[in-house]
Amino acid sequence: DAGVIQSPRHEVTEMGQEVTLRCKPISGHDYLFWYRQTMMRGLELLIYFNNNVPIDDSGMPEDRFSAKMPNASFSTLKIQPSEPRDSAVYFCASSLTGRFYNEQFFGPGTRLTVL
Amino acid sequence: SQQGEEDPQALSIQEGENATMNCSYKTSINNLQWYRQNSGRGLVHLILIRSNEREKHSGRLRVTLDTSKKSSSLLITASRAADTASYFCATDGDNDMRFGAGTRLTVKP
Repeated sequence: DAGVIQSPRHEVTEMGQEVTLRCKPISGHDYLFWYRQTMMRGLELLIYFNNNVPIDDSGMPEDRFSAKMPNASFSTLKIQPSEPRDSAVYFCASSLTGRFYNEQFFGPGTRLTVL
Repeated sequence: SQQGEEDPQALSIQEGENATMNCSYKTSINNLQWYRQNSGRGLVHLILIRSNEREKHSGRLRVTLDTSKKSSSLLITASRAADTASYFCATDGDNDMRFGAGTRLTVKP
């Protein structure tokens, strides 16, 4: 298996633009997580899905952020409109069972820069 | 917000020495995990210890958990230059998983 795949790896955009980050979890994993990592706030859980259903989105910072998982092999995290403070590395992770009870496999991340 | 707090924030040692990193947390947990992150990469799971376990080994890694003190330690024995990375503890409560700020380990050859 190729592991968790994220695209793009780097994204540079201007304030106000829409940004869409993509994630393909490991086949067979039924949990998918989106994280954001910054120097100031560290690694934060934004939202997670179980069997394509959003379970907890309390970590999503604002209404500008939205996430979907239309099927078991694809998820998106959208920021609209983007702001400079959204600049961060966004990670997607997946796990096989049990929410947080098993190891999570992380993707390489998308480094987002909002100018 | 972060729950786990790693200590120290940075650690620099010589190859062959042991490295010990500590993690403290605030609320009760079901399990605690340790992850490694190489610069510019995603996190890699190292080891998971459940709340009813006190010690766990995996290769050169040894993890302890003291739920009464709400703390855990990660020991890397016989360190190598390739162990240079940031190490994070992650705790799960009832509703989410929280990562600490990490310990930046540098192993000098």
